[in-house]
Amino acid sequence: EAQVTQNPRYLITVTGKKLTVTCSQNMNHEYMSWYRQDPGLGLRQIYYSMNVEVTDKGDVPEGYKVSRKEKRNFPLILESPSPNQTSLYFCASSLLGTSGMYEQYFGPGTRLTVT
Amino acid sequence: SQKIEQNSEALNIQEGKTATLTCNYTNYSPAYLQWYRQDPGRGPVFLLLIRENEKEKRKERLKVTFDTTLKQSLFHITASQPADSATYLCALHTDKLIFGTGTRLQVFP
Repeated sequence: EAQVTQNPRYLITVTGKKLTVTCSQNMNHEYMSWYRQDPGLGLRQIYYSMNVEVTDKGDVPEGYKVSRKEKRNFPLILESPSPNQTSLYFCASSLLGTSGMYEQYFGPGTRLTVT
Repeated sequence: SQKIEQNSEALNIQEGKTATLTCNYTNYSPAYLQWYRQDPGRGPVFLLLIRENEKEKRKERLKVTFDTTLKQSLFHITASQPADSATYLCALHTDKLIFGTGTRLQVFP
């Protein structure tokens, strides 16, 4: 089954404790992206990757890191989480065409709470 | 400044009626526009994509229009059902994909 998986689905942590949220897709998509979703603010892009070893900042990259060592995986790293990073996080992937990415396939989401 | 606007208030309609959702944008020149459905606590699911040179796109009970002069897309669900109740997001593709905040649709029997 074609899908994007994220782990963990729920995470409660404390300020400053490094964490990683994993994302994996089995569709051989070139493009992968991380979003956060907050009430009233919608989906905002954190980082994206056009292919292996190619990553770039989205609209809200501060406090996050990513890496793309393999095509299928795109982990999101919070080196020193803070309460303002409490949010619902989504990973997404898509094929890349000549005019950009096509429809995005989203993971199930990771609800992160930082106390 | 660049802005995407979707009705922030929920749209409540009766089963069987046509639901029409609006996506307006300013200061963008999108190559194409996408619509997604999102259920509470779940990831968005792609519905339709329409390109700038297309006026209308249909898929089963769904219809999307795209007016680049008005800078507006309309999303229609005909013969709406309670199962259509969800939040619907529009997303503009410029050099990246920019999402609106979504409109919640409630279809009551």
